[in-house]
Amino acid sequence: EPEVTQTPSHQVTQMGQEVILRCVPISNHLYFYWYRQILGQKVEFLVSFYNNEISEKSEIFDDQFSVERPDGSNFTLKIRSTKLEDSAMYFCASSDVGTLGAFFGQGTRLTVV
Amino acid sequence: AQSVTQPDIHITVSEGASLELRCNYSYGATPYLFWYVQSPGQGLQLLLKYFSGDTLVQGIKGFEAEFKRSQSSFNLRKPSVHWSDAAEYFCAVAFRGANNLFFGTGTRLTVIP
Repeated sequence: EPEVTQTPSHQVTQMGQEVILRCVPISNHLYFYWYRQILGQKVEFLVSFYNNEISEKSEIFDDQFSVERPDGSNFTLKIRSTKLEDSAMYFCASSDVGTLGAFFGQGTRLTVV
Repeated sequence: AQSVTQPDIHITVSEGASLELRCNYSYGATPYLFWYVQSPGQGLQLLLKYFSGDTLVQGIKGFEAEFKRSQSSFNLRKPSVHWSDAAEYFCAVAFRGANNLFFGTGTRLTVIP
């Protein structure tokens, strides 16, 4: 069964450093998403991406965040200057029919120290 | 305001017992409705979804959910719980016209022998 793959599974970074979280969506999918889950809290939407541009973003997705689809297979989330409060599990998702059929990856646990 | 509520933070059931997890939403129209499961250290797996039509939806792993418009609810049920069902369960909604999911705070299910 096709799946969304995220790397790394766990990343530790120092406050102020840049991090890039990587995702390989399911190959024929056209819609891509990032969500995050702070420990003990609900899963929150960050951004959706379609046709090589951001289609929707939440208030959380400020200027510190950016997304990119650098080639035909990867979808990345960059945090420019990490803060302690960015520590969370970050989930990538992809879909061929918009949000109605999103498949989620296993997540990347980001720890900012 | 649009919202999704899971009133039960933690539920404990005996193996073989029936299960019902509650989910309520607040929205002016019928949203698209989903249940996801997150096993420890794992990503989010889609159990089932409701878009329209038959209000009783069958999903994977023996789960079902019933949409009740009058109660703005989409409760998840399973007639006989297995120890492997122990996980965190998230109700999610997609409001029409939006391209992202709103998640509830989750219900942690513990299964005792």
